[in-house]
Amino acid sequence: AQKVTQAQTEISVVEKEDVTLDCVYETRDTTYYLFWYKQPPSGELVFLIRRNSFDEQNEISGRYSWNFQKSTSSFNFTITASQVVDSAVYFCALSEGGAGNMLTFGGGTRLMVKP
Amino acid sequence: NAGVMQNPRHLVRRRGQEARLRCSPVKGHSHVYWYRQLPEEGLKFMVYLQKENIIDESGMPKERFSAEFPKEGPSILRIQQVVRGDSAAYFCASSPLGGDYEQYFGPGTRLTVT
Repeated sequence: AQKVTQAQTEISVVEKEDVTLDCVYETRDTTYYLFWYKQPPSGELVFLIRRNSFDEQNEISGRYSWNFQKSTSSFNFTITASQVVDSAVYFCALSEGGAGNMLTFGGGTRLMVKP
Repeated sequence: NAGVMQNPRHLVRRRGQEARLRCSPVKGHSHVYWYRQLPEEGLKFMVYLQKENIIDESGMPKERFSAEFPKEGPSILRIQQVVRGDSAAYFCASSPLGGDYEQYFGPGTRLTVT
């Protein structure tokens, strides 16, 4: 069975600090996909990134970066120089290949960036 | 350039009434997924549909809940005889194919049962 754990339920930082959101997953499949979504206070879900299990390259997009490590089953998300607009709940999710793409979400991490 | 549309955005029902939640996928997408987010919790998968077919309903409560995605028109999530515990945000997502396409989420319908 697939499982996603986001151990940090809430993180508070001051603007311009760097922050890393942890995500640990469990799956028996060798083919799977990992995702991060952002849920701002307005409530919608914003897609941030998708990574497949065969691509362990880290990725950087502006102030966002992702560190995928299969050896530790982790897919961590770092925001550099955080801003108040980054305040949101962030969800990590897993989809097993061939499973109809149902997403299994972690419990989410609430990030509060204070000015 | 319409994304996934859900309506209504907010729905209030009294206990015992029926709730109907609609989801129009991105144009051309034939796969629809429903997820439920209970207060202060993450999202939980409910059901996966393709046009006229239910592919996976392993996350659907056994009673009172049903879903459909007809050949024409939106996907409908129907909750009969709602109870307070049904109060949640219900998100619909669509994708063009199975496999490695990400799911595009709608804005959600917030159901409140009074």
